[in-house]
Amino acid sequence: DIQMTQSLASLSASLEEIVTITCQASQDIGNWLAWYQQKPGKSPQLLIHSATSLADGIPSRFSGSRSGTQYSLKISRLQVEDTGIYYCLQRYSNPRTFGGGTKLELK
Amino acid sequence: EVQLQQSGAELVKPGASVKLSCKTSGYTFSNYYMSWLKQMPGQNIEWIGNIYGGNGGTGYNQKFKGKATLTVDKSSSTAYMDLSSLTSEDSAVYFCAREAGFFDYWGQGVMVTVSS
Repeated sequence: DIQMTQSLASLSASLEEIVTITCQASQDIGNWLAWYQQKPGKSPQLLIHSATSLADGIPSRFSGSRSGTQYSLKISRLQVEDTGIYYCLQRYSNPRTFGGGTKLELK
Repeated sequence: EVQLQQSGAELVKPGASVKLSCKTSGYTFSNYYMSWLKQMPGQNIEWIGNIYGGNGGTGYNQKFKGKATLTVDKSSSTAYMDLSSLTSEDSAVYFCAREAGFFDYWGQGVMVTVSS
């Protein structure tokens, strides 16, 4: 199975700050990566797909990038509603696997 | 509007089985795969498997083979997941999610609690 590692389990940042969350794949997955945000008691919401493409209806302050097998989600100006847990997902091969999640809180 | 409506919470005894449903609307059911996912409290999300709405073709995570069985009813645009021989390790929230490349629409999740 492909391992997806989110090295930061939690992150605290201030309003309007730039936030970057990273995810490392254990092997090449190309651009078969997505980012999700999950709020307590809710289902995950797709933010970014294909490593860099913004999902429909997602604010442009969210962006995704790739460098080799490392993937990043950037929030350009953190807002109150951006708190939650962020997960990466690879769908390059089965089984699809998620990162362990990064919990983003406001400082 | 795409909607995935899952059945209600379940409390089941160890060793029993449970069948979860995911009723869809707002899109052509037979043109998409539906995945099922598991999330234990405070834990990571695991992919259980998927099923094609058009012909019922399935793919499973090896970890869940023998535990989960996926089916569809095209006439009602509903996907189902049977979970068998339940243990405490099966207590979790289960989601259905439509696949359009990635999981773009999700059900609200259903809590399954296995307890005597």
